[in-house]
Amino acid sequence: AQSVSQHNHHVILSEAASLELGCNYSYGGTVNLFWYVQYPGQHLQLLLKYFSGDPLVKGIKGFEAEFIKSKFSFNLRKPSVQWSDTAEYFCAVENSGAGSYQLTFGKGTKLSVIP
Amino acid sequence: KAGVTQTPRYLIKTRGQQVTLSCSPISGHRSVSWYQQTPGQGLQFLFEYFSETQRNKGNFPGRFSGRQFSNSRSEMNVSTLELGDSALYLCASSRQRGAGHGYTFGSGTRLTVV
Repeated sequence: AQSVSQHNHHVILSEAASLELGCNYSYGGTVNLFWYVQYPGQHLQLLLKYFSGDPLVKGIKGFEAEFIKSKFSFNLRKPSVQWSDTAEYFCAVENSGAGSYQLTFGKGTKLSVIP
Repeated sequence: KAGVTQTPRYLIKTRGQQVTLSCSPISGHRSVSWYQQTPGQGLQFLFEYFSETQRNKGNFPGRFSGRQFSNSRSEMNVSTLELGDSALYLCASSRQRGAGHGYTFGSGTRLTVV
């Protein structure tokens, strides 16, 4: 069974600091990779996704993520965070080869940005 | 466009009761998936429906069931509620199967079992 690990449970940053959230997954086959964000009181929204091609993907609101196949990692980055980035971030993996179409999520990382 | 609508938003039930939650997908979306979100276990996959058929089921007991109607609306049912069933239940819809086709999540139904 596949699993997803997010290294940090809670990250606290000052505005303008750089952000990197770690995500590792365990599955040897073909996967689709996602980062979702849940702002306080709102529903889960897609930040970015990777299926194939350029391993550096850009998403909304200045976020990007890099897929490193050899490390089974898909880390999320943002060069300069804003207070409005305060939210919970979830990494998710979909096993694209098995036709099962279910997302396996990490436990999430809470990001608090201090003005 | 209207989003994914989940009703009710909040529910309080007593142990042993049963509950039905509803999910109306975005118009034109034929796939509906359900997830349970708890502080301890995070987000866990419950089931996936496409064209009125359950295509996939997660690791949950048989007390958890669901169905999808011809208009793509979906319901999930939990029978003989336990305290551990307290959670936020989310549904996600997409045009075709798979998150790659663009899941849109609803705001969820928060179920509290007392």
